[in-house]
Amino acid sequence: QVTLRESGPALLKPTETLTLTCTFSGFSLSTVGMCVSWIRQPPGKTLEWLVVVCWDNAKYYSTSLRTRLTISKDTSKDQVVLTMTNMDPVDTATYYCARYLRQNNYYLDSWGQGALVTVSS
Amino acid sequence: DIQMTQSPSSVSASVGDRVTITCRASQDLNGWLSWYQQKPGKAPKVLIHSTAILESGVPSRFSGSGSGTDFTLTISSVQPEDFAVYYCQQAKSFPLTFGGGTKVEIK
Repeated sequence: QVTLRESGPALLKPTETLTLTCTFSGFSLSTVGMCVSWIRQPPGKTLEWLVVVCWDNAKYYSTSLRTRLTISKDTSKDQVVLTMTNMDPVDTATYYCARYLRQNNYYLDSWGQGALVTVSS
Repeated sequence: DIQMTQSPSSVSASVGDRVTITCRASQDLNGWLSWYQQKPGKAPKVLIHSTAILESGVPSRFSGSGSGTDFTLTISSVQPEDFAVYYCQQAKSFPLTFGGGTKVEIK
């Protein structure tokens, strides 16, 4: 059974850096075709894809946010860490991590429950 | 970036109705299109991937079709548990992109 869980701060001040950890089980990020992605959703709005890291350490970023995002994986701990710099109130959203399959089929098949991050002074 | 346009943004339906949602991409997706369902306060859940492949455990009243830039999600007979927001998402290339969502509401 595949599970993912996001953890990190619920409240940040403007200009601070967000660090979120995705802890997963049921698969390994060293297996060919496995990736973990981050997606966010501002309240009442649509989903916005942010970034992905794959088994071969390939990383792909959102065009609009690439300068603020960093993603890393720790295969031994089954964790993926997202950092986003210079947070602003418009970055208030629920942040999801999800497994992305990238071999034969290409889709987000398992999602975490999400972590609400509020940016406010 | 590939732009994804969904329509309608909302649809009202009665239980038992047939509901169709469309998604148009700004370029050919070679079939790499998925559909997700999201209920209030919950994470999205995949229904269909690769245009028409039903994810395990998803009821057969959901189906997907399309090619090129135009895709469709159909619910053949809407059930009470189907009232939710539906999103399309392309996997042709990074960055991945989602449609704006379609809310299926009770009439």
